[in-house]
Formats: sequence, C-alpha cells, structure tokens
Amino acid sequence: EAQVTQNPRYLITVTGKKLTVTCSQNMNHEYMSWYRQDPGLGLRQIYYSMNVEVTDKGDVPEGYKVSRKEKRNFPLILESPSPNQTSLYFCASSDAPGQKYEQYFGPGTRLTVT
Amino acid sequence: GQQVMQIPQYQHVQEGEDFTTYCNSSTTLSNIQWYKQRPGGHPVFLIQLVKSGEVKKQKRLTFQFGEAKKNSSLHITATQTTDVGTYFCAGHRGSYIPTFGRGTSLIVHP
Repeated sequence: EAQVTQNPRYLITVTGKKLTVTCSQNMNHEYMSWYRQDPGLGLRQIYYSMNVEVTDKGDVPEGYKVSRKEKRNFPLILESPSPNQTSLYFCASSDAPGQKYEQYFGPGTRLTVT
Repeated sequence: GQQVMQIPQYQHVQEGEDFTTYCNSSTTLSNIQWYKQRPGGHPVFLIQLVKSGEVKKQKRLTFQFGEAKKNSSLHITATQTTDVGTYFCAGHRGSYIPTFGRGTSLIVHP
C-alpha cells in the first residue's frame, strides 16, 4: 500500500530537548516536504527536498533542520524546541515536476513543547 | 511573495444546501490543486487543474480554474454530512513549492 508514515504520532516534550520526527515514503517519490499546521494559518511549508542530498527552506524554516540521506526518508529535527513550535506537523511526498504534483500526506505528528 | 487567499474561513450549511470556497492568487499559477482534510485527519488530494478556464467534476463537486489562472473555486452541490472537513487549495507557480490557502472549514448541520 502506497503510504507516508510518520513517527511519533504524538509527542510532549520540554523546551530545549532535541527531538526528531521521522518520515518515510514507499512510493519512490523524489520530492518530500514538511509542513506545520496551526489554527487559522493553514499549512505552512518548513523545508522541502527535491532529491537525495538536496534540501531547501520553505516559508517557516527557523528552528528546524532536515536531512535527506536516502530517497525514502526525510526526518525533521528540532535541535532546541521552543513552545512556539507546538503544532501539528505533516510530512508529504510527490513525484517530480512534469508529472502529477499530487502530494501524499502522512498522518501527522502532534507536538507539544512545554 | 506569492500569496493564495482563500475564503470564507468557515461555512455553516444545512444538509442539502450548496457550498462554495474560493481561492485567489496574487500571481498567475501554473496549476492549482485541491485537498480535503477530515477532522483529525490529514490532507487528501482531490484534483489538479492546469488549463485556463478548466472545469472538472467529481460527482457533486465542481472545480473551476479561472481564465487568468489566478483564481479557482470548489462548489459542492447538495452537501451531505460526509462533506464535513477543511478544504484547501494549493497553487504552484511552476516550481516544486506549493502555496496553500488557509482553508475553508465546512460544517454541515443535519
């Protein structure tokens, strides 16, 4: 089954404690991205990757890091989480441009930073 | 930067009434996509529009892309409780990076 998986689904942590949210897709997609969703603000892109070892900033990259060492995985790293990073996070993947832009979203990770 | 404005933010309807959400871009788009997010769920792709003036239908849903490729709409005829959720548009300007509208939350009262 074609899918994007994220772990963990829920996480409560404290300010400053480094954390990683994993994302994996089994569709051999080149493009992957991370979004955060906050009430009234919709989906805002944090980082995206067009292929292995190619990453770039989205609209709200501050406080986040990513890596793309393998095509299927795109982890999101919060080196020193702060309360304003409390949010719902989605990973997504899609085919390369020139084909369908349809993005497949993971189930989401709800992060609370106290 | 590119912005995609989506209205309304919320829409309450009685079951059986119609519903429309609108997206407007400050720049010309190469294509626009629509997604639906059920409460507690993740966004799910509905459709992609590419051509100027394009109209596509999926059962009770009608999607339009404006002639200038700067605006789009999603219209649902005779809403049902299963239509509840937030509908997002996402515009592309010929790049990998989509710009999402803030979404319209549809609440259907039985």
